[in-house]
Amino acid sequence: QSALTQPPSASGSPGQSVTISCAGTSSDVGGYNYVSWYQQHPGKAPKLMIYEVSKRPSGVPDRFSGSKSGNTASLTVSGLQAEDEADYYCSSRAGSTNIVFGTGTKVTVL
Amino acid sequence: EVHLVESGGGFVQPGGSLRLSCAASGFTFSTYWMNWVRQAPGKGLEWVATIDSDGSEKRYVDSVKGRFTISRDNAKNALYLQMNGLGDEDTAVYFCAREEWFREVDWGQGSLVTVSS
Repeated sequence: QSALTQPPSASGSPGQSVTISCAGTSSDVGGYNYVSWYQQHPGKAPKLMIYEVSKRPSGVPDRFSGSKSGNTASLTVSGLQAEDEADYYCSSRAGSTNIVFGTGTKVTVL
Repeated sequence: EVHLVESGGGFVQPGGSLRLSCAASGFTFSTYWMNWVRQAPGKGLEWVATIDSDGSEKRYVDSVKGRFTISRDNAKNALYLQMNGLGDEDTAVYFCAREEWFREVDWGQGSLVTVSS
């Protein structure tokens, strides 16, 4: 099972928006509405930010939103803040292998 | 509050074995699927293994099949990962995570496994 494809980096100024893509196949992203997004700060454990494509866990700001079209999912962070600078990973249900993660995107707040 | 605490990591020579443990608290452990996810130094996340709530169903990433075994003891609220035949490619921080419908809701702080001669 291959990792989902994310851009290595993305950036934006405070207050701007940034969108990260997560490209998969019909066997993972396209086949299930079980796409999640995680935020990871250096040296820390990942934190769930989005699940089931577009749902936010309690406590996650509504600045974070998710969507999906075909085999590609996206995470948008609106109104960028300094604390949003982190690595972001998507994941998806992937048939027999259960879960596959994306390659990761480093978001920089300029 | 959910707590997941991994232990058992350390240095091991190539070909060696190590057993990771994850102590769970703050939720009804016996009702949740649990996962191991690893992260090699400077690299991305990789799902390693999943076990269902009663331990009857187990799944592994292809690269560890036949070498790693995931297990659990619901009476002790504990998750385990027995790792045999370790190679350089297994060097990583290993996280245990509580799963709900293919999402990792809670994570431990991780345990570093270093395979080196």
